[in-house]
This record gives sequence, structure tokens and C-alpha cells, in this order.
Amino acid sequence: SQTIHQWPATLVQPVGSPLSLECTVEGTSNPNLYWYRQAAGRGLQLLFYSVGIGQISSEVPQNLSASRPQDRQFILSSKKLLLSDSGFYLCAWTGRAAYNSPLHFGNGTRLTVT
Amino acid sequence: SQQGEEDPQALSIQEGENATMNCSYKTSINNLQWYRQNSGRGLVHLILIRSNEREKHSGRLRVTLDTSKKSSSLLITASRAADTASYFCAGGVNYGGSQGNLIFGKGTKLSVKP
Repeated sequence: SQTIHQWPATLVQPVGSPLSLECTVEGTSNPNLYWYRQAAGRGLQLLFYSVGIGQISSEVPQNLSASRPQDRQFILSSKKLLLSDSGFYLCAWTGRAAYNSPLHFGNGTRLTVT
Repeated sequence: SQQGEEDPQALSIQEGENATMNCSYKTSINNLQWYRQNSGRGLVHLILIRSNEREKHSGRLRVTLDTSKKSSSLLITASRAADTASYFCAGGVNYGGSQGNLIFGKGTKLSVKP
């Protein structure tokens, strides 16, 4: 069966510090991978998605970036965090024909920028 | 832009009652999906209804879709305290190839009191 791992679960970082969140998927090949951000009491905002190694599409211009160095690994990064980067970050995967497939989410990372 | 808008934003009911949540969306979709999120966790896929379907059932869940009104509803029958969570709708849109994405609403927070 497929599983998705996301870490760390919580993170407190000062403004201006770098960020690296990692997500890995097991039990499937060639997944579509996604990073979402959820602000408190809000819906999910799609940040990045990837259909293959090295292929990243950005939905929202910001100081975040994403990389996919391996088929089942997706990394969210920032060189310098802003206060507005605080939120709940969720990694997700889906199979081909992404729009017609359910998303499978990790348990999220709660990021607080102080 | 927000594709799905859930209504109400919050719903409080007693155990055993039915809970109905509504979702409206703006553009044409290929499918409408409902997700559940327990506090501080990732989202869990509940049900997917395709644009050519009008109603779908899964256990205590009943979903309807009215493409002419661009709306969907999720009914949870005989609710339990364990159903307490936020519920999100998401429209699946095909942007071509495999790069479809889901666009989420802000969610309905359901509280089921024992």
C-alpha cells in the first residue's frame, strides 16, 4: 500500500532563516506531487506541483521554492523565511490523470516563523 | 482563485442528527471531491463524484452534484462525535495532459456533540 511521509511535524524558525521540508512517498511510482499551504481557518492554497523528476510548476510567486530530486521525494525550501510564511504545510500525491484522482495527504508540518 | 465555497462555515449538531454541507463552485469541473480534516492533521479523501453523476453514496455519506447550479452537497447521516472535523470540497479541473489540479474551498467546521 502507498504511504506518504512528511517531516518535521512542527517547526519554529526565526525570520530570515532557511527552510527545508521533506516529503517522500512509498508504494507507488511516478506520482504527481504537491505542496499546499493552509493558513489558520482557511482553505488550501496550492504552492507547487510536480509531474516528474526536476519538473516543478509554481502556482504562487513567493520566496519559497520546491525541488524533486528523486521520483518519490519532494522538498519545499526557502532561503530566508518571512513572518507571512507561517502556516500548515501539506504534501500530497496523486496518480496520473491527477484531476480525476483523489489526493493523498501527509500529516503536515506546522511552521511558525517568529 | 477559490473554486469551492462551502456553506455553512460552521455547523454544530447533536449526535444522531444528520449534517448537510453545501459547496458552490465557479467554473466547469471534471469532478467534485470531498475531504475531511481532523484538527492538526492532513486531509483524507472521502468521495469523488464525476461531472456526469448526480448522486453517490459511501456508507453514511451521500453526495449530490448539480452542474447546472454549480453546486454540491455532502450529507452525513446519523452523525457521531467522531465525525467532528472540517470538511472541504474541491473541484477537479483538467488543464490538459496530466496536469490537472484540485482547487479547494475554505471548509465547513462540523462539531458533533455527544
